[in-house]
Amino acid sequence: SQTIHQWPATLVQPVGSPLSLECTVEGTSNPNLYWYRQAAGRGLQLLFYSVGIGQISSEVPQNLSASRPQDRQFILSSKKLLLSDSGFYLCAWSAGTGHQPQHFGDGTRLSIL
Amino acid sequence: EDKVVQSPLSLVVHEGDTVTLNCSYEVTNFRSLLWYKQEKKAPTFLFMLTSSGIEKKSGRLSSILDKKELFSILNITATQTGDSAIYLCASPPGGSYIPTFGRGTSLIVHP
Repeated sequence: SQTIHQWPATLVQPVGSPLSLECTVEGTSNPNLYWYRQAAGRGLQLLFYSVGIGQISSEVPQNLSASRPQDRQFILSSKKLLLSDSGFYLCAWSAGTGHQPQHFGDGTRLSIL
Repeated sequence: EDKVVQSPLSLVVHEGDTVTLNCSYEVTNFRSLLWYKQEKKAPTFLFMLTSSGIEKKSGRLSSILDKKELFSILNITATQTGDSAIYLCASPPGGSYIPTFGRGTSLIVHP
């Protein structure tokens, strides 16, 4: 069966520090991969998605970036965090087109001080 | 612009009540609508609806789609405290990898 792992679960970082969040999927190949941010009381904001190794599409211009160095690995990064980067970050995968259900990791709660 | 609108945004009920959550959509080349339940962490998939009038059911939860009026409802009967969660609906435009999500309905069930 397929599983998705996302870490760390919580992270507290100072303003201006770098960021690296990692997500890996097991039990499937060539998944579509997604990074979302969820603010309190809000829906899911898509940040990046990837349909294959090295293929990254950005939905929202900001100081975050994403990379997909391996088929089932998706990394969210920043060189310098801003206060506004605080939030709940979710990684997800799906098979095929967007019409297949997405399967989410447990999320990372990021607090910027 | 594609959009998905959920109502109400929040709902507080007591155990045993029946609730109806609404999701209206306007997406290009509609193909499917999906419902998710989010407790403390990861949203989990509940239903995918593609055809009008066909009810999907899982225990006390059921959902139906109306493609003429462009909405879906999620019903929960005999609510329990474990049903407390945010319920999200989403619909990807045809041919897109990217679902459009609603803001969610926060359901709180009191004992």
